[in-house]
Amino acid sequence: GAVVSQHPSRVICKSGTSVKIECRSLDFQATTMFWYRQFPKQSLMLMATSNEGSKATYEQGVEKDKFLINHASLTLSTLTVTSAHPEDSSFYICSARLDGSQAREQYFGPGTRLTVT
Amino acid sequence: AQKITQTQPGMFVQEKEAVTLDCTYDTSDQSYGLFWYKQPSSGEMIFLIYQGSYDEQNATEGRYSLNFQKARKSANLVISASQLGDSAMYFCAMSPLGAGGTSYGKLTFGQGTILTVHP
Repeated sequence: GAVVSQHPSRVICKSGTSVKIECRSLDFQATTMFWYRQFPKQSLMLMATSNEGSKATYEQGVEKDKFLINHASLTLSTLTVTSAHPEDSSFYICSARLDGSQAREQYFGPGTRLTVT
Repeated sequence: AQKITQTQPGMFVQEKEAVTLDCTYDTSDQSYGLFWYKQPSSGEMIFLIYQGSYDEQNATEGRYSLNFQKARKSANLVISASQLGDSAMYFCAMSPLGAGGTSYGKLTFGQGTILTVHP
């Protein structure tokens, strides 16, 4: 299958600072990328849908001003957690797909573990 | 809206035996896809198997098979000949489908089942 990378894999930051997480599709063009959040031993919750060249669509309850998403190219989407607080500590996973592809052709990144101290 | 329910927080199985992980779903969509993913302790999401709601036959991928019962709205995962490396969290997920079976990509996940394989 196709490869999606995330950077960094782990990050520790101080409360009040901002952190940027990158999601890259390495061998295909991703017209749509999704950002999920996962607390320990819990389910993945969709945060937002990111389409190349347009504004992201956020799920209900997700603060768009706190979680800034930019999908500047067909291979890169970024999630910036602004003014991070300890409650933002979580595992963030992206997935990517090419519009019009078959349903099973959605590929996940390896995830980024964010710890806010 | 879509909802996935996995009622087994944890399951145990002996190595080389088969195990069934339960998944029920609820949706108002006419066409949808059902997925199973494996998440080891490293956190990566590993795709296991997919079933479209329009598929009449149950999907199989190697040791994995999906027992799809549309009328009961269930999509149970069967793992045959369990291996120690199968120990992980397993998620059932679904996505609405558009024309031609293409997916919009938005996945709704269940709560997950932690599978432990004993030697």
